[in-house]
Order: sequence, then structure tokens, then C-alpha cells
Amino acid sequence: DIQMTQSPSSLSASVRDRVTITCRASQTIRTYLSWYQQKPGKAPKALIYGATSLQSGVPSRFSGSGSGTDFTLTISSLQPEDFATYYCLQTYNTPRTFGQGTKVEIK
Amino acid sequence: QVQLQESGPGLVKPSETLSLTCTVSGVSVSTPRSFWSWSRQSPGKGPEWIGYIYYSGSPNYNPSLKSRVTMSLDTSKNQFSLKLSSVTAADTAVYFCARENDDGDFFDYWGQGTLVTVSA
Repeated sequence: DIQMTQSPSSLSASVRDRVTITCRASQTIRTYLSWYQQKPGKAPKALIYGATSLQSGVPSRFSGSGSGTDFTLTISSLQPEDFATYYCLQTYNTPRTFGQGTKVEIK
Repeated sequence: QVQLQESGPGLVKPSETLSLTCTVSGVSVSTPRSFWSWSRQSPGKGPEWIGYIYYSGSPNYNPSLKSRVTMSLDTSKNQFSLKLSSVTAADTAVYFCARENDDGDFFDYWGQGTLVTVSA
């Protein structure tokens, strides 16, 4: 199985801060990497797919970068509605595997 | 708009079989290049992929659960289903159905999730 390691596991930030979350794959996954936002009691919501493509309807303050084994999700200016947990997911092969999550909390 | 909705018992006894159905609206489960998937999430943990059933009916299961999982597709009802046998307390989780979009290789539509508790 491909292991997906996210860092940090949690962070505290203020509104309008720039936030960066990283995800590292245990082997190359090319650009088969997507990012999700999850709020308590809700299903994950897709933000980024193909490592860099913004899902329809997602604000442009979210961006993704990377390929191979190292990936980044950036929120350019954190908004109150962005406080949530973020997960990466690889779909390069099966079994699909998620990162363990990064919880973004209010400072 | 596309919607997915999980249904099934919220309480299952140990050693019995967990059965869930995902009803899809707004898109056909026969849509080419769609993977209809199940994942689960225990409290405080990241999601775990259980498997998918392709629009053609071919399944692919997580090896960690493969011996206990069966997925099926019902095109007449536009639904897909999950059966997990011989459950234990470790199978207690929120179960999500979702569509994996083969065009972008990501999960573009999700159900709201349903909590299944395994307890006597």
C-alpha cells in the first residue's frame, strides 16, 4: 500500500494568514493526488484534484502543487469558514489511501 | 444536481453482516468511467477506503477487508451496496459512499455518511 504522510497534524492560524499543508507519498503517485476539506459531522469536500486543478466552485485562495511524492495545499488568505480538517488522497493505485489529516484551528 | 444517500441499520450485532445501500440521483450509476466507492471513518481518524465497484460491475476491494466485503450495483434502482461480514467493534465507524470520477481521479460526490455501531 502507498502510505500518505501529512504534516503538520494540526496547526493554529489567524484569519488572513497563509497556510501550507504538505503530503508525502511513500512512492511516486505522479499527480494522482487530491485534497479534501472536512468539517465536523460532514462528508469530505473536494478542493483540488490532479495535484493542481481547482474543483469547480472552490475559492481561488486554495491551490495545490507538487508531483511524484511531495505535494502541498496552500490557503493564501485563511477565512473563518476554512477552519476544518484537510486530507490528501492518492488515486494512483489501489488500495486508495488517505493522509491522516491536518486540523486547522483558530489561533 | 448529483446526490448520494446512504441507508441501512445504524446498529449491527457482532459477528453479523453490515449492509448499506447508496441511492444515487442526478447521474446514472451506469455512467462510463465512474467508480462507486465506499469509505469509512472512525472517530478522530482519517478515512479508510473500503473499495469500489466500477460502472461495469467489476469490484475492487481493500486487501485489508477483502475477505469480508461484497459490493454490488443495481442499475434498475440506481443504487450500489456494501456488505461487510463478521463485524466486530472495530468496524464501528461512519460509512460514506462516494463517486470517484475517472476523468480527474478524485472523489467528486459524497453521501452525508451514516454511523454504524457494532454492539450486542
